[in-house]
Amino acid sequence: GQQLNQSPQSMFIQEGEDVSMNCTSSSIFNTWLWYKQEPGEGPVLLIALYKAGELTSNGRLTAQFGITRKDSFLNISASIPSDVGIYFCAGQLRGAGGTSYGKLTFGQGTILTVHP
Amino acid sequence: DTAVSQTPKYLVTQMGNDKSIKCEQNLGHDTMYWYKQDSKKFLKIMFSYNNKELIINETVPNRFSPKSPDKAHLNLHINSLELGDSAVYFCASSQDYRGLYQETQYFGPGTRLLVL
Repeated sequence: GQQLNQSPQSMFIQEGEDVSMNCTSSSIFNTWLWYKQEPGEGPVLLIALYKAGELTSNGRLTAQFGITRKDSFLNISASIPSDVGIYFCAGQLRGAGGTSYGKLTFGQGTILTVHP
Repeated sequence: DTAVSQTPKYLVTQMGNDKSIKCEQNLGHDTMYWYKQDSKKFLKIMFSYNNKELIINETVPNRFSPKSPDKAHLNLHINSLELGDSAVYFCASSQDYRGLYQETQYFGPGTRLLVL
């Protein structure tokens, strides 16, 4: 089955620093998604990417859908303490019928710690 | 005004018991999902239902039986609980499972199951 490799596994940064994390896949995806999970909560959608090469921003967050469709990155600029959490990439692959049947494949997550 | 809600939030039970987790969404979505997050935070899809019909079953043991009484609810019943079932179970929903934007999934807060 498809696997996503997400790196780094964890990051410890100072408030104000920029953060970059990425996901690579052994095969292509049609959609890339980035979620954030805070302790005791469910994943919350940050950015959705639907086209190869697409670059999308959401406030201080920017994500790109790689041209090869096998990778994606997420950048966070000027980090703040509330950025703390686990960031997950997820991919969807549409089959011959034009649907992924909703199946999301998740990366292992990047644990982000921000020191004030 | 919660979009995807789950009950209970915490569930502690003995091995061999049968338990149910409930999920409800008020987004008007047609498709709902169950995910399992293990102790390493890895998220894996278990089931998805569209308008009360099963569309994904990811080779989950048949001790796990999802039930969808209507498209706004997807419950998960687990028979003969085992130690390895301890995990966080997330419900999610999407507008549909067909179509680029309609597949984007929104997660509930999770149910933390501990089997002793």
